[in-house]
Amino acid sequence: EVRLVESGGGLVQPGGSLRLSCAASGFTFSSVSMNWIRQAPGKGLEWVSYITPSSSTYYAESVKGRFTISRDNAKNSLNLQMNSLEAEDTAVYYCAKEGPSADSDHWGQGTLVTVSS
Amino acid sequence: QSALTQPASVSGSPGQSITISCTGTSSDIGGYNYVSWYQQHPGKAPKLMIYEVSNRPSGVSNRFSGSKSGNTASLTISGLQAEDEADYYCSSYTSSSTRYVFGAGTEVTVL
Repeated sequence: EVRLVESGGGLVQPGGSLRLSCAASGFTFSSVSMNWIRQAPGKGLEWVSYITPSSSTYYAESVKGRFTISRDNAKNSLNLQMNSLEAEDTAVYYCAKEGPSADSDHWGQGTLVTVSS
Repeated sequence: QSALTQPASVSGSPGQSITISCTGTSSDIGGYNYVSWYQQHPGKAPKLMIYEVSNRPSGVSNRFSGSKSGNTASLTISGLQAEDEADYYCSSYTSSSTRYVFGAGTEVTVL
């Protein structure tokens, strides 16, 4: 069974940093691309970042230069380093496994990031 | 502002069929057959319902179907049931550097 468990969310001040992690199990993590997708309170889904098995990366314009996605295939772990956080980054952040057809076929339960003074 | 346009809400009575539209451009929906649909119940993570425009993952009811014409994709729910009441999001691969775009979501209400 595929399992994705996010951690690392919390309250941070504007301008601060936070590192999210996602522990993956139930599939061959090293062979699969992964996504971070977020959802602001009461709002829709927003794709944030994508990483291939070989660590090629893509970012939404809204986070480019501030967020860094990475993975540790030996530890089956996905990470998102978030710097220079803004109030607009407040959201539930989901880790999602990429399916075979540019979709997200399994999602974690999400971790809440709140940026506020 | 979302890159894909969906109606804010759609409603129907139990047993009826409803269709949710999702309009993009030739750089996303119109250019690729990588359209997916997600169902999200309140407080829950999204669930993949349709991938590659019209394919259902294992375990998804055949009451859910997808299609595409030009720059517009559609999700149809037939035989509407109370458990179908949720938010639905479309997504597409895009040729832009951002890779993926979502719609703003459609709230489905079962009357």
